[in-house]
Amino acid sequence: GAVVSQHPSWVICKSGTSVKIECRSLDFQATTMFWYRQFPKQSLMLMATSNEGSKATYEQGVEKDKFLINHASLTLSTLTVTSAHPEDSSFYICSASRENSYEQYFGPGTRLTVT
Amino acid sequence: DAKTTQPTSMDCAEGRAANLPCNHSTISGNEYVYWYRQIHSQGPQYIIHGLKNNETNEMASLIITEDRKSSTLILPHATLRDTAVYYCIVRVAGAGSYQLTFGKGTKLSVIP
Repeated sequence: GAVVSQHPSWVICKSGTSVKIECRSLDFQATTMFWYRQFPKQSLMLMATSNEGSKATYEQGVEKDKFLINHASLTLSTLTVTSAHPEDSSFYICSASRENSYEQYFGPGTRLTVT
Repeated sequence: DAKTTQPTSMDCAEGRAANLPCNHSTISGNEYVYWYRQIHSQGPQYIIHGLKNNETNEMASLIITEDRKSSTLILPHATLRDTAVYYCIVRVAGAGSYQLTFGKGTKLSVIP
């Protein structure tokens, strides 16, 4: 149990375009989902926390208008990178938690390359 | 959440026990020690967590010192598939304390 999937697993897009990444909890209801970003040879950095039906809470330094997060259902959260630039190329990882649980279950990650 | 210190890298021979240390000298009484690992280009995987007692599961054992200022993750019989970055994270467990803060971790290389 507690499986989290991400789609796509990798994506290449052109500079200036937008790309959407999906995060799904497959066998449980995720009241809270987290989005992380990981640059090469670096650790995971939390970007934002989203609760189902509420606006996401962004970490300091993360542009909320550039990284749009939607958590409209208990099994799906999406991250849209708008007007992508090469510096947005990174490994994006989501995680999910059940209600009243502090355990996080991680997705496999999405590799974004902006050309 | 308290800060942790881990060695940057370690090697372990295949089949031997891998002992990964973590220092968390500023840990508070209500903070747990969590271990995750990340195999290259994958999402992190939960390994084990504990408060003050030693813990064991099918993946590993966690030994926490009596003063709780340090801990050791033990992989009893390391395999090549255990090559990964191992993260020791200290966090409060409870409502509203879901955030995980990842440090640099220890890159474990299991050598044939």
